Amino acid sequence: RKEVEQDPGPFNVPEGATVAFNCTYSNSASQSFFWYRQDCRKEPKLLMSVYSSGNEDGRFTAQLNRASQYISLLIRDSKLSDSATYLCVVNGFYNTDKLIFGTGTRLQVFP
Amino acid sequence: DAGITQSPRHKVTETGTPVTLRCHQTENHRYMYWYRQDPGHGLRLIHYSYGVKDTDKGEVSDGYSVSRSKTEDFLLTLESATSSQTSVYFCAISGTGGRVTGELFFGEGSRLTVL
Repeated sequence: RKEVEQDPGPFNVPEGATVAFNCTYSNSASQSFFWYRQDCRKEPKLLMSVYSSGNEDGRFTAQLNRASQYISLLIRDSKLSDSATYLCVVNGFYNTDKLIFGTGTRLQVFP
Repeated sequence: DAGITQSPRHKVTETGTPVTLRCHQTENHRYMYWYRQDPGHGLRLIHYSYGVKDTDKGEVSDGYSVSRSKTEDFLLTLESATSSQTSVYFCAISGTGGRVTGELFFGEGSRLTVL
């Protein structure tokens, strides 16, 4: 089983739609969780951290369910510019110096 | 943007040849990382450094070595390149400068093709 698993997609949605991505992680001792965004042929960049109580940043909402070892990202009112791959990231299991990346979920927003 | 550059950005080489990728940062950050990214595998950690001459292995370190003789430079070497090392290589620095708390700043990547 992979340490961090994501549905690869692609998710094809129209502008204005709401879309949700899920991610599961295998180690219950993981403490820190993040979503990164990666545009095609570009480097990944931090989108947002994920907090236990859930957190929001504009149109983006992140949720964490520790009991189910599950992380989600909700994007409301999708824009064409949201088209990218979204990476679920968890801190290293035995050493907080390392981050473990999921394979990513690709989102394509069409007009 | 964080001052992190990688060179070369693109390289094509033949099996068995040595290859060195360079990562240079202007942030004076202590922690630096080398990842590779492949379809179906995502980003995987190769090696990382927590200071000058202090390095440690990641999950896919076989066939790779690193060196850090100066804070600003972190070199990744493939002693004898193989086709399985065809990949996109990303260097990263921790956002805090110290132990990563979640934010990594990545270079633009080095695309390596081994024929």
